[in-house]
Amino acid sequence: SQQGEEDPQALSIQEGENATMNCSYKTSINNLQWYRQNSGRGLVHLILIRSNEREKHSGRLRVTLDTSKKSSSLLITASRAADTASYFCAFPVGGYNKLIFGAGTRLAVHP
Amino acid sequence: GAGVSQTPSNKVTEKGKYVELRCDPISGHTALYWYRQSLGQGPEFLIYFQGTGAADDSGLPNDRFFAVRPEGSVSTLKIQRTERGDSAVYLCASSFEGANVLTFGAGSRLTVL
Repeated sequence: SQQGEEDPQALSIQEGENATMNCSYKTSINNLQWYRQNSGRGLVHLILIRSNEREKHSGRLRVTLDTSKKSSSLLITASRAADTASYFCAFPVGGYNKLIFGAGTRLAVHP
Repeated sequence: GAGVSQTPSNKVTEKGKYVELRCDPISGHTALYWYRQSLGQGPEFLIYFQGTGAADDSGLPNDRFFAVRPEGSVSTLKIQRTERGDSAVYLCASSFEGANVLTFGAGSRLTVL
């Protein structure tokens, strides 16, 4: 299967704590992306990391990519209740931007 | 429009009925994608349009599913003889040609009774 795999499936933390989500994949990729989804509806793009990058930051988000292990992680620092959502990794296959998504991590941040 | 618009937001139908779901992409976006998402799962690719043509329809589950994009903007996903297993959120996304990032609509939740 080309699908990405994510762990944990669910994560419950307190506000202020850090949240780490992991993604593994099986194919060669030229980039990996993370998306966020609230309440099972539209996805919002968070961050993209290219295959020649090892780490990228955006605000409270930090993404790493290890192409030798075919894995990526998303770290959310100093979490807030508003970060409660599902987070998905995705990567393009097929020579154009057909994204394959993982099953997602459901994050709950408690006040 | 400012974003990707999908209608209806919710659709309840009976088994065996025909359903159409509409996607209005961001103006100027030539690439359009349909995905299906079942409860607790990630989005599953259905079909990709580049302009008016379906460049990749490998994700359509069977011949009851069909999608068109006659003028290269609005797309319609058509499902014939709906089954209970078709119940899911159908997501549409668009992008400029060659862009890496997709912009998603809010989805159409289909419930087949």
